[in-house]
Amino acid sequence: DTAVSQTPKYLVTQMGNDKSIKCEQNLGHDTMYWYKQDSKKFLKIMFSYNNKELIINETVPNRFSPKSPDKAHLNLHINSLELGDSAVYFCASSQDHAGYNEQFFGPGTRLTVL
Amino acid sequence: AQSVTQPDIHITVSEGASLELRCNYSYGATPYLFWYVQSPGQGLQLLLKYFSGDTLVQGIKGFEAEFKRSQSSFNLRKPSVHWSDAAEYFCAVDQTGANNLFFGTGTRLTVIP
Repeated sequence: DTAVSQTPKYLVTQMGNDKSIKCEQNLGHDTMYWYKQDSKKFLKIMFSYNNKELIINETVPNRFSPKSPDKAHLNLHINSLELGDSAVYFCASSQDHAGYNEQFFGPGTRLTVL
Repeated sequence: AQSVTQPDIHITVSEGASLELRCNYSYGATPYLFWYVQSPGQGLQLLLKYFSGDTLVQGIKGFEAEFKRSQSSFNLRKPSVHWSDAAEYFCAVDQTGANNLFFGTGTRLTVIP
């Protein structure tokens, strides 16, 4: 059983399009996250949700909108895609948002914007 | 401003040799400290973490790390590297206590026979 899953694994699209990436965790965790990893492997947190409530919202363009229909899902919707959005996006989850809890990462979604 | 420095971008070691990956952070207080590993094409996996107590922590896959407050360091070690350890290694800190991880730039480990 996959603990944290993401779909799709690869996403190739044109500039200006709108796309979504889905994330699901079956660990019963309360907190979920989105990270962006750029071409130099730098990994940066974008958002975190705890029980469907936004906890962390880093400096991310408004074109990025997370949506959490329930605590097992955190989807990422991106409007008006730009070349600079090309990256690998990782979803993660943890039991709650206490600092000592391990984060479990999904396999990543490689987004390529042409 | 918070920062996490991994000074070695790429390290190559022979299988069976010892390994040390460096990590330094700059914060006022002791943050929560983590080491994650990312195998090619995979997500990240936690190797070990430190938030209090014994400054030498043991992790999975035979890794250990030592927190040194005086040097603001949290270096990762392994006494004997296996070929399967080839991966990208990330040091991360959480200063807020809210699981808001700030990652270093990573160290790529190559293992040669």
